[in-house]
Amino acid sequence: GEDVEQSLFLSVREGDSSVINCTYTDSSSTYLYWYKQEPGAGLQLLTYIFSNMDMKQDQRLTVLLNKKDKHLSLRIADTQTGDSAIYFCAESLNNTDKLIFGTGTRLQVFP
Amino acid sequence: DGGITQSPKYLFRKEGQNVTLSCEQNLNHDAMYWYRQDPGQGLRLIYYSQIVNDFQKGDIAEGYSVSREKKESFPLTVTSAQKNPTAFYLCASSMSGSEAFFGQGTRLTVV
Repeated sequence: GEDVEQSLFLSVREGDSSVINCTYTDSSSTYLYWYKQEPGAGLQLLTYIFSNMDMKQDQRLTVLLNKKDKHLSLRIADTQTGDSAIYFCAESLNNTDKLIFGTGTRLQVFP
Repeated sequence: DGGITQSPKYLFRKEGQNVTLSCEQNLNHDAMYWYRQDPGQGLRLIYYSQIVNDFQKGDIAEGYSVSREKKESFPLTVTSAQKNPTAFYLCASSMSGSEAFFGQGTRLTVV
């Protein structure tokens, strides 16, 4: 079956690194995504990784994929107050356009 | 500007009424989606469409209906059969196999 899980909350101090974790069950995923949602708004794509990659870095963002354990993580370096939001991981299934989302992790950054 | 537009931003419905949420995109995307978001939960897929004049039920289609008469438009009707329609509704679109782009959402409240 298709299931994507995340922890609900993460709280970090400004300037520290944040690591948001995600586990998924479907091994036929082709792409895995990280989206950011600010209050009352839609989702904004942050980054994505193809399923045959282990790591992708994009400025302050690092995505790690452990396909054996079906574990995806998003590391945000030098976390700022503007990074406070809900972060969703999502997987797209092989040969479909269907996206399965996790429950979202609310990141709170305090000074 | 290319993008995906949802309207209205806020919508109030009396019990027993049907309401229609609009979603329009000018990105020339084939696939379009409707998600429902409740507090503390992830995005749940209501319906999706991979091509004009065709659509599939998602995980929570009961009480909702859609149409896809044009590539650019994918309206969602929340019918009186939907017993708990108060939620934040998000529309998205994508090229086949690529990341989804989201609208800014419609917040529906039953009064």
